[in-house]
Amino acid sequence: NAGVTQTPKFRVLKTGQSMTLLCAQDMNHEYMYWYRQDPGMGLRLIHYSVGEGTTAKGEVPDGYNVSRLKKQNFLLGLESAAPSQTSVYFCASANLQGTHEQFFGPGTRLTVL
Amino acid sequence: QQPVQSPQAVILREGEDAVINCSSSKALYSVHWYRQKHGEAPVFLMILLKGGEQKGHEKISASFNEKKQQSSLYLTASQLSYSGTYFCGTRGNAGNNRKLIWGLGTSLAVNP
Repeated sequence: NAGVTQTPKFRVLKTGQSMTLLCAQDMNHEYMYWYRQDPGMGLRLIHYSVGEGTTAKGEVPDGYNVSRLKKQNFLLGLESAAPSQTSVYFCASANLQGTHEQFFGPGTRLTVL
Repeated sequence: QQPVQSPQAVILREGEDAVINCSSSKALYSVHWYRQKHGEAPVFLMILLKGGEQKGHEKISASFNEKKQQSSLYLTASQLSYSGTYFCGTRGNAGNNRKLIWGLGTSLAVNP
């Protein structure tokens, strides 16, 4: 099992460009999350999903959109990138049952110039 | 609402012990502990549920005092591999979205 994978691993954008980050999990988890991590700020929740076809806003949703068309995939979109969105983005998933452990992907390092 | 972790940073020599605290101003249903090594993703250590349960993971254990709304992570006889940033994540209820509110982390460095 690959667990949680993220694509791409690194990306550099210019201000105003758009992009989509892909998160995929092969554990059949119901819950999926997108976080951003900035130095000294810990993990901040951007958007999350409690199941296929559902999404909800987290703490810092502005400037981002998400979609969960398939249970195994959770996409994070930046419509018009800004330097303030320079960050490391982590995707995580969790099961409906069990320990509620969140499994994290390896992260995507995004730089917006 | 964000839990407060203390201390912010700890430096240990191999074999020494450390305690990391996670405190909330709100009632807690569960506290989750993760460790993140530099350049890597956070990795789950343990979960403590309401009820004051204490759990262990190798030489790392934790307690949860629901009256004080606080959890403590105990690292015993630290090893070099314990270095990293420790995060606590908290849930205020048993809701079905599994969302966690994260502390800012405690940086732990274990030196030979």
